[in-house]
Amino acid sequence: GAVVSQHPSWVICKSGTSVKIECRSLDFQATTMFWYRQFPKQSLMLMATSNEGSKATYEQGVEKDKFLINHASLTLSTLTVTSAHPEDSSFYICSATRGASGSSLDIQYFGAGTRLSVL
Amino acid sequence: GNSVTQMEGPVTLSEEAFLTINCTYTATGYPSLFWYVQYPGEGLQLLLKATKADDKGSNKGFEATYRKETTSFHLEKGSVQVSDSAVYFCALSPYSSASKIIFGSGTRLSIRP
Repeated sequence: GAVVSQHPSWVICKSGTSVKIECRSLDFQATTMFWYRQFPKQSLMLMATSNEGSKATYEQGVEKDKFLINHASLTLSTLTVTSAHPEDSSFYICSATRGASGSSLDIQYFGAGTRLSVL
Repeated sequence: GNSVTQMEGPVTLSEEAFLTINCTYTATGYPSLFWYVQYPGEGLQLLLKATKADDKGSNKGFEATYRKETTSFHLEKGSVQVSDSAVYFCALSPYSSASKIIFGSGTRLSIRP
């Protein structure tokens, strides 16, 4: 099956520092990658959608200068939380899809998530 | 707008018990509906899906039927196993599964031996 790996699985940082989270599709080329945020006991909220080689599309209310997304290759997307503050502490999850919308490959495969704690 | 409401957990059952996790949705148009499962330490996995009214999705003994008249997509399994312990997310997509997915808050299921 398709595997998506996220790294790190848990990160603790000081307030004001930046943190980078990696999302890799290990055995397929991802046409599109998604980044979600999950608060305790709440739903996953879509933050942004990224396609390889183009700028990410951010959901309403998500600060693009705060959450920088780079999708430099078909197997790697990164989310950088810049100048992190305690309110950015959350669980961040990525997913990837390998097919065009509506095709038989049109399924999102999820990483295991990254827990960010900002002190 | 689009939203998903699912049964709050945690749900604890004995092995071989019957499982129902309720899910209702609000959507414009004709969304696709999904159940995802997250086992401990792993990413979300698609469990089953249905793309139109009256479709039944099924996988690993789990079933859910797309009920447009009641805007529901309840997850059922006739006989649960300890290995079914996980968090289950009901979700919808207004267009297709590779586009935006709107998730419910998740239901944690624990099965006692």
